[in-house]
Amino acid sequence: DIQMTQSPSVLSASVGDRVTLNCKASQNINKYLNWYQQKLGEAPKLLIYNTNNLQTGIPSRFSGSGSGTDYTLTISSLQPEDVATYFCFQHNSWPLTFGSGTKLEIK
Amino acid sequence: QVQLKESGPGLVQPSQTLSLTCTVSGFSLTSYDVHWVRQPPGKGLEWMGGIWGDGSTAYNSALKSRLSISRDTSKSQVFLKMNSLQTEDTAIYFCTTRGLRAGDWFAYWGQGTLVTVSS
Repeated sequence: DIQMTQSPSVLSASVGDRVTLNCKASQNINKYLNWYQQKLGEAPKLLIYNTNNLQTGIPSRFSGSGSGTDYTLTISSLQPEDVATYFCFQHNSWPLTFGSGTKLEIK
Repeated sequence: QVQLKESGPGLVQPSQTLSLTCTVSGFSLTSYDVHWVRQPPGKGLEWMGGIWGDGSTAYNSALKSRLSISRDTSKSQVFLKMNSLQTEDTAIYFCTTRGLRAGDWFAYWGQGTLVTVSS
């Protein structure tokens, strides 16, 4: 199974900050990497698919990049409504696997 | 408008079988796959398995021996059955499906249903 490791596990930042979340796969996943945002008590929401494609309706302050085993989600200017846990997800190999999440907080 | 909704018992006794239903609308089960993802309270997400438009299935190897996913296309329903439940199977169970673009796995989600395994 491909292991997905996210860092940091908790990130505290100020409104307006540029924030970067990291995801590392245990082997090459060929950019088949998605990012999900999950707010407390809600289902996850797809933000980014295939590394850098913004899902319809998602604000442009969210962007993704990466290749091989290393991927990042960037929020260009953190907003209060971005408080959530963010999960990466690989769909290159079976079984499909998620990272353990990064909890994003506002300072 | 794509919608999914999970239903089932909130409480299951240890060693018993869990049966959940995902009722969908806005798309056809013969054209799109539906998957089950679960999340223990306060923890991460685990893909459990899915059923494709042609009726074929795929399972997480960690659960394969206990898990079965089936469907009734006439009722737009997908079913999950998992046996030999233990306390560690306590989780929110979500059903989810893809969007229209290649790669947009799990673009649509149900609200989730909490299943507690306890005597």
